[in-house]
Amino acid sequence: DGGITQSPKYLFRKEGQNVTLSCEQNLNHDAMYWYRQDPGQGLRLIYYSQIVNDFQKGDIAEGYSVSREKKESFPLTVTSAQKNPTAFYLCASIPLSGGTEAFFGQGTRLTVV
Amino acid sequence: GQQVMQIPQYQHVQEGEDFTTYCNSSTTLSNIQWYKQRPGGHPVFLIQLVKSGEVKKQKRLTFQFGEAKKNSSLHITATQTTDVGTYFCAGPIQGAQKLVFGQGTRLTINP
Repeated sequence: DGGITQSPKYLFRKEGQNVTLSCEQNLNHDAMYWYRQDPGQGLRLIYYSQIVNDFQKGDIAEGYSVSREKKESFPLTVTSAQKNPTAFYLCASIPLSGGTEAFFGQGTRLTVV
Repeated sequence: GQQVMQIPQYQHVQEGEDFTTYCNSSTTLSNIQWYKQRPGGHPVFLIQLVKSGEVKKQKRLTFQFGEAKKNSSLHITATQTTDVGTYFCAGPIQGAQKLVFGQGTRLTINP
């Protein structure tokens, strides 16, 4: 089945640790996005990438890092510099050529303990 | 910062009542998209509007795109319990590369 897979679904992290969230898509989409969702604040853009080996900061990039070494993969690292990392993280992809509909993964709920 | 604003943040209605959420952008948008997120789920695409003044319908849902392509609305007629969820608008910023979402309107329904 084609789609976007985020893993893990739930993640617990100790303060001061870096953690990497996985996002893989087999839709052959060009663009990939990472959003953070907090209650009452909607979806805020962290990073996005249009092509391999290139990515741009979104509105809340501080404390996060990404890579885009393969078209299918766009992992997000939440670093210890992120002061309030507990949130629901959503990955999305868009084909760009032929449409702008965003397809979302199931999300990863990160909790700092 | 956020350039797509959405109101209201919350809306509670009785089943059978109508519901409307509004979306406003600080810049002209090439298109506006609407998504629905069920409780505990992820956003799912509903529709895209492209033309100035465009109106589209999906059963009880009516979507409008403003003449200036800066505002949009989603209206649900005679809500049902299956309509529960958070509705988001989204628009491409900076040459369509950056997809920005509104804060969402959370709809709850009293059966």
